[in-house]
Formats: sequence, C-alpha cells, structure tokens
Amino acid sequence: KQEVTQIPAALSVPEGENLVLNCSFTDSAIYNLQWFRQDPGKGLTSLLLIQSSQREQTSGRLNASLDKSSGRSTLYIAASQPGDSATYLCAVSWSNYQLIWGAGTKLIIKP
Amino acid sequence: GAVVSQHPSRVICKSGTSVKIECRSLDFQATTMFWYRQFPKQSLMLMATSNEGSKATYEQGVEKDKFLINHASLTLSTLTVTSAHPEDSSFYICSARDGLSGNTIYFGEGSWLTVV
Repeated sequence: KQEVTQIPAALSVPEGENLVLNCSFTDSAIYNLQWFRQDPGKGLTSLLLIQSSQREQTSGRLNASLDKSSGRSTLYIAASQPGDSATYLCAVSWSNYQLIWGAGTKLIIKP
Repeated sequence: GAVVSQHPSRVICKSGTSVKIECRSLDFQATTMFWYRQFPKQSLMLMATSNEGSKATYEQGVEKDKFLINHASLTLSTLTVTSAHPEDSSFYICSARDGLSGNTIYFGEGSWLTVV
C-alpha cells in the first residue's frame, strides 16, 4: 500500500532558525513529489515539485531534497520568518497520476 | 498565474440544498481531473477521478449519488454536493492533468464548503 507520512505533525520554532520538515513514502517507484503550503482557511500553494530523476529543487529560502532509495524527502526552510507559519503538505505521485498526501506539518514561527 | 481555476473559493449553503463547485483548466486540455476532500487536521483524500466524456471513478466510501461529478469538456469538471449536510462541510480541491504536456498535474485553489 502506498502511503505518505509526515513527521512531526506540528513544529514551533523561533524566528530566524533554519528548519527541516520530513516526508516519507512507502514505494520508491514514484513519478514525482510535491511540497505544498496551506494557510488557514485558504487554498493550497505549490512550493516545489521534484521529478523522480531529480535529487533536489530550490526556490528562494526553500530547498526540497528527494532520496527515493530511502523513501524520504525533506523540505529545508532557511532563516524562518513569521510569514512562513502554515501547514506544509507533502504529496507523492505514482504511476496512476493521483497524488497520495501526507497529513501535513503545522509550522509556527514565533516572532 | 493560475492554470486551474476553481470556483467558488468559499460557499455557505443550507442543509438539504445542493451546491456545485467548478474546476476549469485555463491554458490546457485536462484529460483527467481529480477531486479531493480534506477534513480538519487530516490529509487530503481522493474522492474520484474523472476522464473527459466518461463516468467518474469513485474511491471506496465515496457516495457517487451524493457527490456528482461531471467532466463534459476538456476544460471543465464540476462537483455537485447534493442534499448537503453539515458533515459535508470540508475543503474540496480539484486537480487537472495536462495529458499533452508531460502529464503535469495542476491544482485549483480549493473551495471551502460550510453547510449550516
């Protein structure tokens, strides 16, 4: 069974710290993996998309890595800001194109 | 800009009424569209997969007569929640696959449904 797990479920850190969010998946034969951000009461914002042939993607202060052999992806946020507070979702696509979602990590950045 | 437009972004309806949510691909032909639902503090769950011109395939546990999905054109899919109840209150989001461009999947911004 294909599953996506995100740990921790919640994380609170002081402003300015670098942090890492984790995503693990059970089947390494993925098509791609995506990281999304969800703000309370709002929709999803796509952050980074990593194809199965890639090892990492970067966008501004965000860096996502992919290790298919170990079934893991990490989202690294540098120099965190209060505006980064949101729920971060990891979603993995396998051969049927549908995405399997993690339950998310709720991130709070304290000023 | 957004390549998948979902409307409305927020809707409040009375219990027992029906509400329709639209999902449009703006710059591509969406051969397949997916509808997801997310309850508070839970991950998004796939409700159904629809291919243009054919009946949607529903996931186990999703009532097809309650959640009507129509994918009549390559740019539009609709989800109608019929006889809505408060427990149907949720976040609904669609995604569309661009079959002509590497099978990239794009997401709508989601719709918050509140049934009162």
